[in-house]
Amino acid sequence: AQRVTQPEKLLSVFKGAPVELKCNYSYSGSPELFWYVQYSRQRLQLLLRHISRESIKGFTADLNKGETSFHLKKPFAQEEDSAMYYCALPNTGNQFYFGTGTSLTVIP
Amino acid sequence: NAGVTQTPKFQVLKTGQSMTLQCAQDMNHEYMSWYRQDPGMGLRLIHYSVGAGITDQGEVPNGYNVSRSTTEDFPLRLLSAAPSQTSVYFCASAAGVGGYTFGSGTRLTVV
Repeated sequence: AQRVTQPEKLLSVFKGAPVELKCNYSYSGSPELFWYVQYSRQRLQLLLRHISRESIKGFTADLNKGETSFHLKKPFAQEEDSAMYYCALPNTGNQFYFGTGTSLTVIP
Repeated sequence: NAGVTQTPKFQVLKTGQSMTLQCAQDMNHEYMSWYRQDPGMGLRLIHYSVGAGITDQGEVPNGYNVSRSTTEDFPLRLLSAAPSQTSVYFCASAAGVGGYTFGSGTRLTVV
């Protein structure tokens, strides 16, 4: 069954330190994965999708089929990066499975 | 271009009451979905639609109904509210296979 796992519920890093938010998936086929971000009490926003290979707000994510992972990385964390991050995997009918989310806190 | 609009933003219901959460999008998107967001559980799909007149159940459909009579609107009905339905509800839409645009959410409390 398709599944997305985010093993860390909470993650704290210091400003300027590298950050990596983990996402592992279970999917039969070639997956297309997404990262969404939700700032405090705001709506979810699309951060990036692996197929576009973009870098948004300094974040990147590489699909590793061997490890079935799509970890989100940023070399230097900023305070404004503090938010809830969700990894997502689309299913048939373009419906998304979301992970349980990782709450990132960047400590000044 | 308002995107995805949800109303109301906040609602308190008594157990057993019914209500409709409204969702409208002005982007002519085919796909629309309702999710609920609960602490530690992420977002769970309630119902979804792949076009006007077509709806289907998601992961947690019990206690909720939907209809999609137009492309723009996708209301979510709570038939008889229960405390377990206290949550934040998000509506989302997408043009095709790709990322969803989310509404700002409805914070529902059932007492």
